[in-house]
Amino acid sequence: GQQLNQSPQSMFIQEGEDVSMNCTSSSIFNTWLWYKQDPGEGPVLLIALYKAGELTSNGRLTAQFGITRKDSFLNISASIPSDVGIYFCAGQGGSGYALNFGKGTSLLVTP
Amino acid sequence: SAVISQKPSRDICQRGTSLTIQCQVDSQVTMMFWYRQQPGQSLTLIATANQGSEATYESGFVIDKFPISRPNLTFSTLTVSNMSPEDSSIYLCSVPLGQGEYFGPGTRLTVT
Repeated sequence: GQQLNQSPQSMFIQEGEDVSMNCTSSSIFNTWLWYKQDPGEGPVLLIALYKAGELTSNGRLTAQFGITRKDSFLNISASIPSDVGIYFCAGQGGSGYALNFGKGTSLLVTP
Repeated sequence: SAVISQKPSRDICQRGTSLTIQCQVDSQVTMMFWYRQQPGQSLTLIATANQGSEATYESGFVIDKFPISRPNLTFSTLTVSNMSPEDSSIYLCSVPLGQGEYFGPGTRLTVT
């Protein structure tokens, strides 16, 4: 699969702070997806992006599909303790359906 | 979205044995995927299971080690064969549906 670089690897923030994480790829993707995984659970889809430049929100979450189609970011505003978890980006290229995942960003939020 | 269930949720198995993991979806889907998530790592696609045809395996994964069945459009199984401690992972099934890909809760496998 194609390599996705996700950063930061981990974040430790206070409740109420905003969070930003991003993914970059050496290849062009047609789709970017952002997932959250809680311990002992499967990843849950947060936001899906399908067009370059697209900016999509889901509550306090906002994600954008980069213009170059090689990157995406996820912002979380006004973080709360239940935002704790591991966030994964995933990209889908044109040659097949398989998703390529980033290594994840571990988010810790202190009250 | 879809409701996806997996059985078992977790298991502890001895080296050399095999475990079959089941994935059930509440709607008919053409494709189902099987992923592996090693401890502290990201998800790696094992194979794509299509109903009525053989599964398509990703580089580094072979049918003898991870045989897959797909008897109908709502169900699939993944078998982890001749297990070793290196197979200790979370195994997840997923389905593409609508505007995304949705995952089951995972099966946590520990091989001793």
